[in-house]
Amino acid sequence: SQQGEEDPQALSIQEGENATMNCSYKTSINNLQWYRQNSGRGLVHLILIRSNEREKHSGRLRVTLDTSKKSSSLLITASRAADTASYFCATDPGGATNKLIFGTGTLLAVQP
Amino acid sequence: DAGVTQSPTHLIKTRGQHVTLRCSPISGHKSVSWYQQVLGQGPQFIFQYYEKEERGRGNFPDRFSARQFPNYSSELNVNALLLGDSALYLCASSGAEARNVLTFGAGSRLTVL
Repeated sequence: SQQGEEDPQALSIQEGENATMNCSYKTSINNLQWYRQNSGRGLVHLILIRSNEREKHSGRLRVTLDTSKKSSSLLITASRAADTASYFCATDPGGATNKLIFGTGTLLAVQP
Repeated sequence: DAGVTQSPTHLIKTRGQHVTLRCSPISGHKSVSWYQQVLGQGPQFIFQYYEKEERGRGNFPDRFSARQFPNYSSELNVNALLLGDSALYLCASSGAEARNVLTFGAGSRLTVL
């Protein structure tokens, strides 16, 4: 399979807690992105981290990237019920094509 | 500004039939990509078109084809449908300002019986 692996597959937390999701990938990358998907609808881009970056923040999101281990993590701080969704990492191998390789996703449930 | 729009939103077909899915990108976006998402999995890349030319193709059989029109809208065609083609088909567009960031439509959910 071309897809990377994400863990955990599912995560249930209480509102206000932090949620951490991990992603491992297989090939070299130009950048890595995280997307969110609500109830099997379209995906929404959250954050992009380039291969020469190690950490990036955007609001309550913090992303880390370790290219030596081919892994990334997404931290959502102070979670809210509205954060309930599936989260996917996607790697961009670069080149002429806009192809993204998506992971298997983490289903996050935030209990109010 | 309208986002990426896809039609139809849901459709049911039987094995062996043909289906055409349509996508209109964000105004000004010249690149359109198609992804297939089977239930419980992440999206898988099918095609990318840029300026009406195919830029990339994923590991899908020749039953899958696509094209992009002068207004940058796109069609995905699937012939001789199989049960395994049942999935959410997602269209995404991107612009020159953020070439690698995709804006997705809500998808077309295809059920093959």
